[in-house]
Amino acid sequence: QKEVEQNSGPLSVPEGAIASLNCTYSDRGSQSFFWYRQYSGKSPELIMFIYSNGDKEDGRFTAQLNKASQYVSLLIRDSQPSDSATYLCAEIQGGGADGLTFGKGTHLIIQP
Amino acid sequence: DTGVSQNPRHKITKRGQNVTFRCDPISEHNRLYWYRQTLGQGPEFLTYFQNEAQLEKSRLLSDRFSAERPKGSFSTLEIQRTEQGDSAMYLCASSLAGGALWGYTFGSGTRLTVV
Repeated sequence: QKEVEQNSGPLSVPEGAIASLNCTYSDRGSQSFFWYRQYSGKSPELIMFIYSNGDKEDGRFTAQLNKASQYVSLLIRDSQPSDSATYLCAEIQGGGADGLTFGKGTHLIIQP
Repeated sequence: DTGVSQNPRHKITKRGQNVTFRCDPISEHNRLYWYRQTLGQGPEFLTYFQNEAQLEKSRLLSDRFSAERPKGSFSTLEIQRTEQGDSAMYLCASSLAGGALWGYTFGSGTRLTVV
């Protein structure tokens, strides 16, 4: 059973700073990872996916994957109050399965 | 296209009753997924369909749960003999044939409360 671990927070970051969110995973063979954002009372929405070692950038968001250390991170530059949400890390279950295994999520608060 | 639609938005039921939820995916998406989310947890995978075929079902899924997608369009999730532990948000998602790698679009969910 694959596991994805996240610190539930809350993580409080001042507006304009860099928010750093981390996730570790149990299966060394895992290859594809996703970051979903979930506002309170809303459904998750995909913001980034990454499947190779290194960094992937999209606007203010950068996803980082380190397969040797089995962690995935999400950096949010120039944090805005609208970034306040729960960020869910997920990986494909694998073995031909198409479901995702999600972590519990990290609650991020951007302080104006 | 209005995205993934789920009905009802809220359902309150008495323990032991049966409930059924409906999901209408994005029309061109042939994959449809059901997840369950409780407070403070990430979504938990339940099952998924490619067109009308149910391809995978979580081992955690009780026999009281059944899902159908009879014509490869909308899907229903039924819970029989509901228990208080079934109280959760039930999320439906859909995707193109590439599946999770293309990213899911989630619906707004159905919140079930079992009293």
